[in-house]
Amino acid sequence: DTEVTQTPKHLVMGMTNKKSLKCEQHMGHRAMYWYKQKAKKPPELMFVYSYEKLSINESVPSRFSPECPNSSLLNLHLHALQPEDSALYLCASSPRQGGFTGELFFGEGSRLTVL
Amino acid sequence: LAKTTQPISMDSYEGQEVNITCSHNNIATNDYITWYQQFPSQGPRFIIQGYKTKVTNEVASLFIPADRKSSTLSLPRVSLSDTAVYYCLVGQRGSGNTGKLIFGQGTTLQVKP
Repeated sequence: DTEVTQTPKHLVMGMTNKKSLKCEQHMGHRAMYWYKQKAKKPPELMFVYSYEKLSINESVPSRFSPECPNSSLLNLHLHALQPEDSALYLCASSPRQGGFTGELFFGEGSRLTVL
Repeated sequence: LAKTTQPISMDSYEGQEVNITCSHNNIATNDYITWYQQFPSQGPRFIIQGYKTKVTNEVASLFIPADRKSSTLSLPRVSLSDTAVYYCLVGQRGSGNTGKLIFGQGTTLQVKP
């Protein structure tokens, strides 16, 4: 199994809603990532988890709250978002045992629209 | 992290070889060069990685000169399905690395019939 699965594929939410994005991988990878991508822009790194611990937070606003319940799952909790947060949210994983290889495996993303 | 510079866009025709060059003047001794491909509304996909000289796999070749300040991704005989954005990334490998990968602006390749 070489897939990273993200759900939902599409999400529409109001600015007062609370929702979550989910990401799952069963490749035994111990590093997981959240990226945000706006139209015609490169992916922007948001968070990195390494061995289920948050290792990088790229100064992301607190309305985005990541969670890594176990080595296979990564969540992104969303609350009080703004319309400018509408984007494609990409999850990725990477093997960590033996060191970082530079190869990330991405999911297909969750398309978020904030009204 | 070394900054990368790529052409914003390139056009090609089916069957041609395409070479996309990436500049990374501040590359560090321990940095590797990695290329990703991204189709619309999909996550990026790893294509190839190298440290120096030449690396080849089933989809592409990567040429890195001795000074490592640039690299060239070569796609042989492109088809319409190679139309995508191609990203060059530079970063370290190994157990002490944080795993931080930053994407540059990328090159949009348009393959025409």
